[in-house]
Amino acid sequence: AQSVTQPDIHITVSEGASLELRCNYSYGATPYLFWYVQSPGQGLQLLLKYFSGDTLVQGIKGFEAEFKRSQSSFNLRKPSVHWSDAAEYFCAATRGAGGYNKLIFGAGTRLAVHP
Amino acid sequence: DSGVTQTPKHLITATGQRVTLRCSPRSGDLSVYWYQQSLDQGLQFLIQYYNGEERAKGNILERFSAQQFPDLHSELNLSSLELGDSALYFCASSERDRAYEQYFGPGTRLTVT
Repeated sequence: AQSVTQPDIHITVSEGASLELRCNYSYGATPYLFWYVQSPGQGLQLLLKYFSGDTLVQGIKGFEAEFKRSQSSFNLRKPSVHWSDAAEYFCAATRGAGGYNKLIFGAGTRLAVHP
Repeated sequence: DSGVTQTPKHLITATGQRVTLRCSPRSGDLSVYWYQQSLDQGLQFLIQYYNGEERAKGNILERFSAQQFPDLHSELNLSSLELGDSALYFCASSERDRAYEQYFGPGTRLTVT
């Protein structure tokens, strides 16, 4: 069955430290991959996406993600975290076969940022 | 602001009741998706409409139904509500049927008491 796994439920980092959030997928073929961020009481904002091509993709708010086919991973990174980055982050995937575009989400990683 | 609007923002109702959630997609988007976010199930796809037609169904209960109108707004109808239906319901839209970027609205928080 298709699935997306985010192994870390909670992560705490200090402001200014680097960040890496892990995401692994299980699909029959390479899916299209996304990272979304959800701030408290807010909807989901698309941070970045990977469809094909360059395996390092840049997103908004200084985030980037690297696709590694051999590891079935799509980890999100940021070199220096700001207090405003505290939120919940969701990795998602879709295969889009036959027009079936449902997103499958991971369970989310809640990020806390210490001053 | 994604451009997707959802009303109401909050809804509190009793078990057994019926509610309607409304979604207006981004201007020009033809596809609308509904997702449910709950503590125990996480974010789950419910249903997709494209230009007024149902395109795909996910884990949507028979008590739930949806439609997309000619002006492309969509409504999600939830009936015979149970406590377990309490959740955040998101609508998302994309430009066309096979467009994989989905933009989410702010959600409707449903509380069933």
